[in-house]
Amino acid sequence: EADIYQTPRYLVIGTGKKITLECSQTMGHDKMYWYQQDPGMELHLIHYSYGVNSTEKGDLSSESTVSRIRTEHFPLTLESARPSHTSQYLCASSDTTGLQGGETQYFGPGTRLLVL
Amino acid sequence: AQSVAQPEDQVNVAEGNPLTVKCTYSVSGNPYLFWYVQYPNRGLQFLLKYITGDNLVKGSYGFEAEFNKSQTSFHLKKPSALVSDSALYFCAVRPNSGNTPLVFGKGTRLSVIA
Repeated sequence: EADIYQTPRYLVIGTGKKITLECSQTMGHDKMYWYQQDPGMELHLIHYSYGVNSTEKGDLSSESTVSRIRTEHFPLTLESARPSHTSQYLCASSDTTGLQGGETQYFGPGTRLLVL
Repeated sequence: AQSVAQPEDQVNVAEGNPLTVKCTYSVSGNPYLFWYVQYPNRGLQFLLKYITGDNLVKGSYGFEAEFNKSQTSFHLKKPSALVSDSALYFCAVRPNSGNTPLVFGKGTRLSVIA
């Protein structure tokens, strides 16, 4: 298992609340990613970062934002949670040392979010 | 743009029988190809990858995959399935030029029946 951590693992919250999902890795990886996945379904890339102060939007339109102030930390924030945000959120990281593009992405255990 | 197709939503196999989970890809240039496994309520675990060299790649838990450039395929195989192999399997691709995120297939649910 890779050293990538996500908190909380489970979160139940009311509509309209602001939430931040935490992701951190201790491997010194420069690339980090956030995916949204409904249970047992495909992954959707929502944000990624290739280094400190670098963030990009993914394929899935998302009402979330991210920041990358430190290499090891890549939090995801929902300003106003809605029931449509109910899903699992997976964080991943990878390292560009070695063969460019051939690096392995390592995933955290995920955060299951339920918005009531 | 790159894409991955996993044509089977579900694969059922009897324990002890060989298993195959199919994956085809579309990418500009040469691909980097990956397989991941996801157990219930967990993140994805890396199984194996093809970067270059031998077309047959061996990975974790006895899995292997064969890169076939002419058929643009990267099927996952195991000679003898275990009940514990039951999980969701994802194929992913990235072109070997450029700096882009992995593109994942929709996943195939493998069910191994005792």
